[in-house]
Parts: sequence; C-alpha cells; structure tokens
Amino acid sequence: DGGITQSPKYLFRKEGQNVTLSCEQNLNHDAMYWYRQDPGQGLRLIYYSQIVNDFQKGDIAEGYSVSREKKESFPLTVTSAQKNPTAFYLCASTAPGTRDTEAFFGQGTRLTVV
Amino acid sequence: AQKVTQAQTEISVVEKEDVTLDCVYETRDTTYYLFWYKQPPSGELVFLIRRNSFDEQNEISGRYSWNFQKSTSSFNFTITASQVVDSAVYFCALSEAQGGSEKLVFGKGTKLTVNP
Repeated sequence: DGGITQSPKYLFRKEGQNVTLSCEQNLNHDAMYWYRQDPGQGLRLIYYSQIVNDFQKGDIAEGYSVSREKKESFPLTVTSAQKNPTAFYLCASTAPGTRDTEAFFGQGTRLTVV
Repeated sequence: AQKVTQAQTEISVVEKEDVTLDCVYETRDTTYYLFWYKQPPSGELVFLIRRNSFDEQNEISGRYSWNFQKSTSSFNFTITASQVVDSAVYFCALSEAQGGSEKLVFGKGTKLTVNP
C-alpha cells in the first residue's frame, strides 16, 4: 500500500544533541513537507520541498535542517540550536502541480527532550 | 497573509447529537482551496474534504456535511448523529500559493469529544 512512513514513532533527545527524523514516501509525490504540532497550536510549517535537491524554509525553520537527495525521502534534523524541540512532528506529501490536491500525512514522530 | 481561525478549542457532546465545527478564513487570493482533516488519537491526519473557491455547493458525505459561504469566509463542518468514533481533533486548512509552491495554512484545531 502506498503511504508515508515516519520513524521512529517516539524519540528522546538530550539537550545539545542533534537528532534526525525520518520520512519516506512511496506515493511518487514530488512535494514533501514537515510540520510541527504543539498542543493547542495547530500545525506550523518547518520546511518544504517541491523537487529533489531543492527545499524552502517554512514559517519556523530556525533550528532545523533538511535534505532532499531522493524523491522518496525528506529527513528532518533537529539541531541543538532549536530552543524548544519537544513537539509532535508530521511529514506530508502532495502530488505535483495541483493546489487542490490533498496532502497525505505520516503517523508522526513525538520528540521529547530529556 | 492567509489565516484560518477555528474559534472552538474544544467541544463535548453526547452521542447522537449533531455538532458543527466552525472555520473562518482570510485570504487575498481569488482562487483558493479549503480542506478539513481529522486527527484521531493515533496522530495521523486523515483527509476529509477539499473545496475550491469557485464551488459554493454544500456537500454531504454520509453523516458529514460542509457549508461553504464566501460571503462570510466560512467553511463549517457538521457531523449529524455523532458517534464516539468521531472523537478527534479536526483541522480546517487553506492552501496558499506563493511563487508556484503549494502550502497549507492550518487553523489551531477543534477537539471534539463524543461521550456515550
């Protein structure tokens, strides 16, 4: 079945460490996105990529980095510069070139700083 | 800038009651798209509906219905005869296009609890 796989489901990080969240899709979608969800805050866009080897900052990119070396993969690194990384992270993808297409989401990674 | 407001933070109803979730949006685009997503406790967002700005027809899908009114910039979602399985967080979203990119702007969500 086609879909988006995020791993791990739960992640614990010590302060000062970088950590990478995985996102893989087999939907053949060109566009991929990372969102952060905090309680009562909705989803906020961190980074997005419309095509391989290209990505743009979203609304809250500070303290995060991404890469897009393959169409299927869009990993997110939470760096030590991110002041408050504890949150629920969701990866999504969309079919190319159409604004009215729905986004498909992974099941999320819950990151906790200990 | 685009903005989506879901004024109801939490709603609690008893099973079989009807419930309406409100969504108000702001955009300067003449062409835009609106979405509703459901987030059950598992965390994954599930797509429910999309509507483009040129189509103001209301839509019904089983117990779900949507009322889109451009005059009031609203896209409200009604669940008829609610069930416990409807308990979830519901998000309204607006597509935003800048430079050809496609991004979703989400409201803060409404947590719906349906009690038996």
